[in-house]
Amino acid sequence: SYVLTQPPSVSVAPGQTARITCGGNIIGSKRVHWYQRKPGQAPVLVVYDDSDRPSGIPDQFSGSNSGNTATLTISRVEAGDEADYYCQVWDSSSDHMVFGGGTKLTVL
Amino acid sequence: QVQLVESGGGVVQPGRSLSLSCAASGFTFGSNGIHWVRQAPGKGLQWVALISYDGRHQYYADSVRGRFTISRDNSKNTVYLQLNSLRDEDTAVYYCAKDLMSSLCDYWGQGALVTVSS
Repeated sequence: SYVLTQPPSVSVAPGQTARITCGGNIIGSKRVHWYQRKPGQAPVLVVYDDSDRPSGIPDQFSGSNSGNTATLTISRVEAGDEADYYCQVWDSSSDHMVFGGGTKLTVL
Repeated sequence: QVQLVESGGGVVQPGRSLSLSCAASGFTFGSNGIHWVRQAPGKGLQWVALISYDGRHQYYADSVRGRFTISRDNSKNTVYLQLNSLRDEDTAVYYCAKDLMSSLCDYWGQGALVTVSS
């Protein structure tokens, strides 16, 4: 089955840029989606189809996808961005939705 | 606005059954698939199942196939998840989520906690 690999944690100072990676075999050929989950809250879609943002998501969130790595970039990080972030793809070979293990973003 | 509300969670003994419901509003229910996704304590998100917009197609994670059944009633704007032969490792918050483009979840409910314990 398809596997997505994320770093367990990323730390960044306020105002800086955070980059969260998601590795998978030829992931560049798939559509990658990203979710933000804060404690006690439901997940929120922040980027879909590699780099598109749903309405209401600020432009500080952006994404890219190429080769074996997809990346979620969060610019001008603030304390309110502290959360767990998950990448996700649909694996059409198995008809399964696959999530990465999640990355905890800490704002120093 | 889109709303998804789960219900039916609770505490159940191993080997027993439980049924979850997901009531939807704010969108054309019969035009969208619905996913169930769970999160066990201290773990990440795990996809459980998907039902197509018309209920004709169901897809399951390997860990629940044969034990869980997803269904829907479009006249009631509701999706169900029947959980049978429950195991300790099924303990989790179960979320229902609206499918977009047969690929992702664009709206999520607040979740229902299922605890499997003797």
